[in-house]
Amino acid sequence: EPEVTQTPSHQVTQMGQEVILRCVPISNHLYFYWYRQILGQKVEFLVSFYNNEISEKSEIFDDQFSVERPDGSNFTLKIRSTKLEDSAMYFCASRTGTANYGYTFGSGTRLTVV
Amino acid sequence: AQSVTQLGSHVSVSEGALVLLRCNYSSSVPPYLFWYVQYPNQGLQLLLKYTSAATLVKGINGFEAEFKKSETSFHLTKPSAHMSDAAEYFCAVDRAGGTSYGKLTFGQGTILTVHP
Repeated sequence: EPEVTQTPSHQVTQMGQEVILRCVPISNHLYFYWYRQILGQKVEFLVSFYNNEISEKSEIFDDQFSVERPDGSNFTLKIRSTKLEDSAMYFCASRTGTANYGYTFGSGTRLTVV
Repeated sequence: AQSVTQLGSHVSVSEGALVLLRCNYSSSVPPYLFWYVQYPNQGLQLLLKYTSAATLVKGINGFEAEFKKSETSFHLTKPSAHMSDAAEYFCAVDRAGGTSYGKLTFGQGTILTVHP
């Protein structure tokens, strides 16, 4: 069964450093997402991406965050200057043209900012 | 706006007993509803989904859920719990409609413990 692949599975970074989280969505999917889950809290929507542009973003997704689909297969989330409160599990998800098919999530990247 | 409330952050059952995980939603548009399961140190796996077809939805691992519009509920059930069902379960709502970009709103999760 097709999978969404995320790398790395764990990343530790120092506060103020830039990080890039990588995702390879399922090849025929059209919509791409990032969600995050702070330990002990809900899974929260960060951003959706369609047709090479952001279609919606949450309040969390401020100027420190950016997304890119540089080569038609990878989908990246960049955090420009990490803060302690960015420590969380970050999930990438993708889906086909309609929500009928549901979303396929990757296994996540656990980001720890120290 | 959409929201999801999962009643009970922890549910504990005996092996072989009925599993009932409760989910109530709020949505200003017809919803699509999902249940996801998360095993320790793993990602979110889709258990089942309601997308405006049959109101009783069957999923993987013997789970099912019933969409009740009048009660705004989408409770998850399994007749007989197995030790391998121990995990965290998330209910989520999406905006219905094929042209919608979609955005899942999750409940806070319910940790299911199964004891022998």
